[in-house]
Amino acid sequence: KAGVTQTPRYLIKTRGQQVTLSCSPISGHRSVSWYQQTPGQGLQFLFEYFSETQRNKGNFPGRFSGRQFSNSRSEMNVSTLELGDSALYLCASSSPGQGAGSEQFFGPGTRLTVL
Amino acid sequence: DQQVKQNSPSLSVQEGRISILNCDYTNSMFDYFLWYKKYPAEGPTFLISISSIKDKNEDGRFTVFLNKSAKHLSLHIVPSQPGDSAVYFCAAYPTDSWGKLQFGAGTQVVVTP
Repeated sequence: KAGVTQTPRYLIKTRGQQVTLSCSPISGHRSVSWYQQTPGQGLQFLFEYFSETQRNKGNFPGRFSGRQFSNSRSEMNVSTLELGDSALYLCASSSPGQGAGSEQFFGPGTRLTVL
Repeated sequence: DQQVKQNSPSLSVQEGRISILNCDYTNSMFDYFLWYKKYPAEGPTFLISISSIKDKNEDGRFTVFLNKSAKHLSLHIVPSQPGDSAVYFCAAYPTDSWGKLQFGAGTQVVVTP
């Protein structure tokens, strides 16, 4: 089974621009979560999508948004980029059972650098 | 507000010995706990998990212990191998937000020959 894939792997943008990152989950997984990893803040939860609906949201400004398509693929968008948005953006997929958590499987991440 | 805490940023252990990584949490709603291993420039790799109804789970060289009353869990790696050198993250799910993993800050493990 193929793992979680993320594109692109590396991205360089300038302040004020916007960016779209893509994530393809493991086949059959319907939940996709996004995380931001920075040296100072560690791994921070952005949002989670399940069956095309945002189910959970972290404490990030509205410049960060996402969506999920009917095939469970997901995209996240960051508008009006700031220098502090430079980070590794990780996508994870899972197949939650009823009433229980499940392991999230992570992609390799997209390294975003904002200049 | 950091609800999952890994107070040791680093751990150095000799090859063949036991590595013990600790994690504390504050949210009593956490119901499912996971450990991940991460190499630089890669995504975290799932290692082992434990439900709050258990106090121990074992998988090969990895064992996770959960003490609910103390809100504490630990990961034991026996024996430690050089390939275990990585950052280890403790993570937890609250029962009302299954998709929302809360991560600790991580512990850098270095296994020396």
